Amino acid sequence: AQSVTQLDSQVPVFEEAPVELRCNYSSSVSVYLFWYVQYPNQGLQLLLKYLSGSTLVESINGFEAEFNKSQTSFHLRKPSVHISDTAEYFCAVSPELGGANNLFFGTGTRLTVIP
Amino acid sequence: ETGVTQTPRHLVMGMTNKKSLKCEQHLGHNAMYWYKQSAKKPLELMFVYNFKEQTENNSVPSRFSPECPNSSHLFLHLHTLQPEDSALYLCASSQAGLGRGVEAFFGQGTRLTVV
Repeated sequence: AQSVTQLDSQVPVFEEAPVELRCNYSSSVSVYLFWYVQYPNQGLQLLLKYLSGSTLVESINGFEAEFNKSQTSFHLRKPSVHISDTAEYFCAVSPELGGANNLFFGTGTRLTVIP
Repeated sequence: ETGVTQTPRHLVMGMTNKKSLKCEQHLGHNAMYWYKQSAKKPLELMFVYNFKEQTENNSVPSRFSPECPNSSHLFLHLHTLQPEDSALYLCASSQAGLGRGVEAFFGQGTRLTVV
């Protein structure tokens, strides 16, 4: 079975400050890792994902996440946040099994950027 | 425009009512999903359809009844709901099964309130 833990339910941060949103997972099999973002009144959108290869993955809007297998973590970071980054961020995993058909989500972290 | 459209956006219904949620995707995907999003809980997968066939039902009560008439449309029929069923219901689609690390595309959701 898979589970995802996002310990921080809310993270307030000042504009242009750095931020880290934490994600840890538990799984008995290898997994793919994702960060999804949900802006107010919208559905979830994929922010970035790790499938294989380099453990550091980046999004087009300046976020990055690093897969750490030994710590079973996939923390999301941005060196300087903008007001427009205010949203809820969800970490998710899916097992590397061809027959699997689910994304297992964490409870989400609400990022609020303060002007 | 996310490519996945859900209607209605908001729905208030009594416990004895019957209503339906609709989801439509214009992405040519083969798999469609219903998720339930409740406050402070991980997203819960409810149903999965692959090529119009239901492949997963995650122990969802029978008061929720899905229907997938074709690979572009998905419905969730509701009857005799309980107040604890109030939540945001999200529809998603993907090109292939999520176990292959593919991206899920989400609609904006239907905010359901049961009174």
